[in-house]
Amino acid sequence: GAVVSQHPSRVICKSGTSVKIECRSLDFQATTMFWYRQFPKQSLMLMATSNEGSKATYEQGVEKDKFLINHASLTLSTLTVASAHPEDSSFYICSARDPGGGRGDTQYFGPGTRLTVL
Amino acid sequence: DAKTTQPNSMESNEEEPVHLPCNHSTISGTDYIHWYRQLPSQGPEYVIHGLTSNVNNRMASLAIAEDRKSSTLILHRATLRDAAVYYCILRDVGEYGNKLVFGAGTILRVKS
Repeated sequence: GAVVSQHPSRVICKSGTSVKIECRSLDFQATTMFWYRQFPKQSLMLMATSNEGSKATYEQGVEKDKFLINHASLTLSTLTVASAHPEDSSFYICSARDPGGGRGDTQYFGPGTRLTVL
Repeated sequence: DAKTTQPNSMESNEEEPVHLPCNHSTISGTDYIHWYRQLPSQGPEYVIHGLTSNVNNRMASLAIAEDRKSSTLILHRATLRDAAVYYCILRDVGEYGNKLVFGAGTILRVKS
């Protein structure tokens, strides 16, 4: 299947710093990528839909000024957590939609990024 | 969004078949039924998806009820590596297409 990577896999930072997470589709072009957040023992929560060349669409309750998304190319989307605080500590997961995958619009997920804010 | 209902957890013995049920009584005519699974500290992994007919692939089979209000994911021979959270999701066609909204899923435990 298609491969999606994320970098870094884990990051620990001090409160108030900004953290950038990269999501790459390695063997297909993804016009649409999605960002999720997952707290311990909870399900994935969709944060936003990232579209190449246009502004991201955020889910209700997700602050767009706090979680900055840039989808500058067909293989790269970035999520920047601005001025991170301990409550932003979570597992961040991206996915990419492969419209040409012949699987009815299957999404492929990255391995996730564990963010810990001290 | 159309919702799905799954049991919180299930247990299986290794090498035995597993049937994971999912109810989706409010499914619309164009909703695809997707199954993903997630191992601890990993991103979800695509398992299978279908629309009306039963589907088979190397990982699993998907049996869809005639009225499409329920479906069952079938793992033919469970292994310890199949222990994961299994999510049954109806594909929601959003403005930018096809976002997946995850429910709580079913925790599958496999005993050796």
